[in-house]
Amino acid sequence: DSGVTQTPKHLITATGQRVTLRCSPRSGDLSVYWYQQSLDQGLQFLIQYYNGEERAKGNILERFSAQQFPDLHSELNLSSLELGDSALYFCASSVGLAGAGDTQYFGPGTRLTVL
Amino acid sequence: AQKVTQAQTEISVVEKEDVTLDCVYETRDTTYYLFWYKQPPSGELVFLIRRNSFDEQNEISGRYSWNFQKSTSSFNFTITASQVVDSAVYFCALSEIASGGYNKLIFGAGTRLAVHP
Repeated sequence: DSGVTQTPKHLITATGQRVTLRCSPRSGDLSVYWYQQSLDQGLQFLIQYYNGEERAKGNILERFSAQQFPDLHSELNLSSLELGDSALYFCASSVGLAGAGDTQYFGPGTRLTVL
Repeated sequence: AQKVTQAQTEISVVEKEDVTLDCVYETRDTTYYLFWYKQPPSGELVFLIRRNSFDEQNEISGRYSWNFQKSTSSFNFTITASQVVDSAVYFCALSEIASGGYNKLIFGAGTRLAVHP
């Protein structure tokens, strides 16, 4: 158990809908990351937050947004869902030391299925 | 551009065989970090090892060992006396670091290891 929690574990929804994925980092970690794992794209970095502020963006669609709250939990919002958004979404957390390449610990993931 | 290549898509071995998973990376940075993660059939990503670019010492942890060679930009992973529980997808990753604490992982495509009894 990495100490990172994600809810829900599974999510099935229809095209055009909006969903929210939730992540709680390990105790003491200030950085939260979101990744998407799909069959065709592999594991792709989406976005990073550090202590409530957006730190970096990767291949995140404009239909997707995220935030990190004062208690450090994070939410990833996916809207206007398309079939291609079906994937496993991982949250990871790390201490957040700048420039240290600190280890990212991953949650169990949320499997999103868009029908 | 930074890139991680895991050329072996799938490897199949019989229990107790040794197996090496290859990882080749590309980066222009002088300071970088390399990682291996394991994704068992249950789906979670499990951290195995982190190595920085200044430490070329090989590392051994039980049946696992890692060989880091900067000269060939490789960070290979060997499992000795493989077991069925080692069956998983293994990912090699490179940490891209920039100012301001930007820290993202660039993953290889993964190698699926099947260990048969």
